[in-house]
Amino acid sequence: GQQLNQSPQSMFIQEGEDVSMNCTSSSIFNTWLWYKQDPGEGPVLLIALYKAGELTSNGRLTAQFGITRKDSFLNISASIPSDVGIYFCAGVNRDDKIIFGKGTRLHILP
Amino acid sequence: NAGVTQTPKFRILKIGQSMTLQCTQDMNHNYMYWYRQDPGMGLKLIYYSVGAGITDKGEVPNGYNVSRSTTEDFPLRLELAAPSQTSVYFCATTSGGSLNEKLFFGSGTQLSVL
Repeated sequence: GQQLNQSPQSMFIQEGEDVSMNCTSSSIFNTWLWYKQDPGEGPVLLIALYKAGELTSNGRLTAQFGITRKDSFLNISASIPSDVGIYFCAGVNRDDKIIFGKGTRLHILP
Repeated sequence: NAGVTQTPKFRILKIGQSMTLQCTQDMNHNYMYWYRQDPGMGLKLIYYSVGAGITDKGEVPNGYNVSRSTTEDFPLRLELAAPSQTSVYFCATTSGGSLNEKLFFGSGTQLSVL
């Protein structure tokens, strides 16, 4: 089946650093979504992307829908302690099925 | 407005026991979903429903059953629990339109089968 390769698997950064993570696939997707999961909670939608090349921001977060429609990236600028969590990418395919990546765990060092 | 409420939060089962994971939503959404999340893995779809009285299998339905008698409730049933069903289970809803977009998740049920 379709798979999303999300990298890196985990990141350890200093507070204030910028963060970059991405999601790639061999398949084309019509929509890309980025979710964040806090410990003990369900994922929450951060950004939704609908068009190839689209660049969308939500506060300190910026995400892009790759031109080939096979990838997407998420950047977080000036990280703060509450950014800790697991970030999931998800793609919606032509059959309206959503496929989730395995997540990127973000740790912020004191 | 509670959103999506899941109960229980935690549960330990013995092999072969049965249980029902409850999910209720007050968002008046038609679409509801059950996902499982294994450690280090993404979310896998178990079952979904596009409205009361309609349910469909997802990617990993074996060992589970669902029902949707009302818009608000979408319980997930495990009949004969197995260790492979140890996981965190999430219920989610969407308002409609695109089937899977903008999911609203509950806070999860952590299940251990020993």
